[in-house]
Amino acid sequence: GAVVSQHPSWVICKSGTSVKIECRSLDFQATTMFWYRQFPKQSLMLMATSNEGSKATYEQGVEKDKFLINHASLTLSTLTVTSAHPEDSSFYICSARATGNPVSSKNIQYFGAGTRLSVL
Amino acid sequence: AQKITQTQPGMFVQEKEAVTLDCTYDTSDQSYGLFWYKQPSSGEMIFLIYQGSYDEQNATEGRYSLNFQKARKSANLVISASQLGDSAMYFCAMRPLIGDKIIFGKGTRLHILP
Repeated sequence: GAVVSQHPSWVICKSGTSVKIECRSLDFQATTMFWYRQFPKQSLMLMATSNEGSKATYEQGVEKDKFLINHASLTLSTLTVTSAHPEDSSFYICSARATGNPVSSKNIQYFGAGTRLSVL
Repeated sequence: AQKITQTQPGMFVQEKEAVTLDCTYDTSDQSYGLFWYKQPSSGEMIFLIYQGSYDEQNATEGRYSLNFQKARKSANLVISASQLGDSAMYFCAMRPLIGDKIIFGKGTRLHILP
């Protein structure tokens, strides 16, 4: 299957600092990437859809100024948690959909390994 | 509204036995895709199997098979000959024909006992 690399896998930061998480598709081009947040023992919650060369589409309730998304190339999307606070501590995971026929429910999303963010 | 329901929060299964993880879904779409993902304790989401709503045959991938019953709107995952490494969280998910959003169920935590 396709490989999605996410970095870093674990980050600890002080309150008020910003943290950048990278999501790369290694062996395919991804016009669309997704960012999820997962609380302990819960399912994935979609935060935003990242489209190459355009602004991200945020889900309702997600602060776009706090969670900055940049999809600068067909293989890289970044999520920056600005002015992080302890309540932002969570597991963040990205996924990527390969470029192709969009009219197909089989466009599989491949996931990165996730980033565990701890804000002190 | 589209919804995925996984009614088993946790399951314990003896090694080498087969296991069925339940998943039902609700959608008014005629065309959609169903997925199963595995999430081990490391956190990564591993794609296991896909079933299209118009696929006539149940999907199979190695030890994984999807028991698709469209009229009942169920898409149960069957793991044959379970192994210790199958212990993980399993998520059922659905994607409509149009659009990129995937809807996930709440997951089932599977424990394989030696």
